[in-house]
Amino acid sequence: NAGVTQTPKFQVLKTGQSMTLQCAQDMNHEYMSWYRQDPGMGLRLIHYSVGAGITDQGEVPNGYNVSRSTTEDFPLRLLSAAPSQTSVYFCASSYSAGAGYEQYFGPGTRLTVT
Amino acid sequence: KNQVEQSPQSLIILEGKNCTLQCNYTVSPFSNLRWYKQDTGRGPVSLTIMTFSENTKSNGRYTATLDADTKQSSLHITASQLSDSASYICVVSAGRDDKIIFGKGTRLHILP
Repeated sequence: NAGVTQTPKFQVLKTGQSMTLQCAQDMNHEYMSWYRQDPGMGLRLIHYSVGAGITDQGEVPNGYNVSRSTTEDFPLRLLSAAPSQTSVYFCASSYSAGAGYEQYFGPGTRLTVT
Repeated sequence: KNQVEQSPQSLIILEGKNCTLQCNYTVSPFSNLRWYKQDTGRGPVSLTIMTFSENTKSNGRYTATLDADTKQSSLHITASQLSDSASYICVVSAGRDDKIIFGKGTRLHILP
């Protein structure tokens, strides 16, 4: 099993550009989520999905869109990149949404917006 | 307000020494508490998980404790190794809606 994979590993964007961060998992997990990690702050939830076709907003959803057309994939779209979106983005998955289920994190995408 | 506070922010110790990281939380109702290890440039990896009724959980040289009365947890690392250099994140889940609250982490540096 590859676990949770994310692409790209690094990305530089100019303000106003759009892009999609890819996330895939091969563990047949129902629950997937996107976090951003900024210096001096804990991981913050952007969007999550409890299954294919179902998505919902997390703590900091503005400026991001998600979709979940398959169980395996959960892409994160930046609509119009802003410098405030410079961050490290982590995708995670777990068997179910319950707090007792371990979350498996991808290796992260480091995004810089100039 | 649900919060998770970790201390110290950073810690430097010599290889072979023991250390203890602290986590205080104000989360209600409490569901469970996890400790994650995050190596530089990688995603977090779960070390331990404890529910309300558990006081201690070990994973090799890592031992987590939980005092649900005082809302405190600690992660003790025994006989530290260079590979223990990482950030350690305390994560608390709050009941009914399973909201997950992340601490800011403790950055641990092990010196040879």
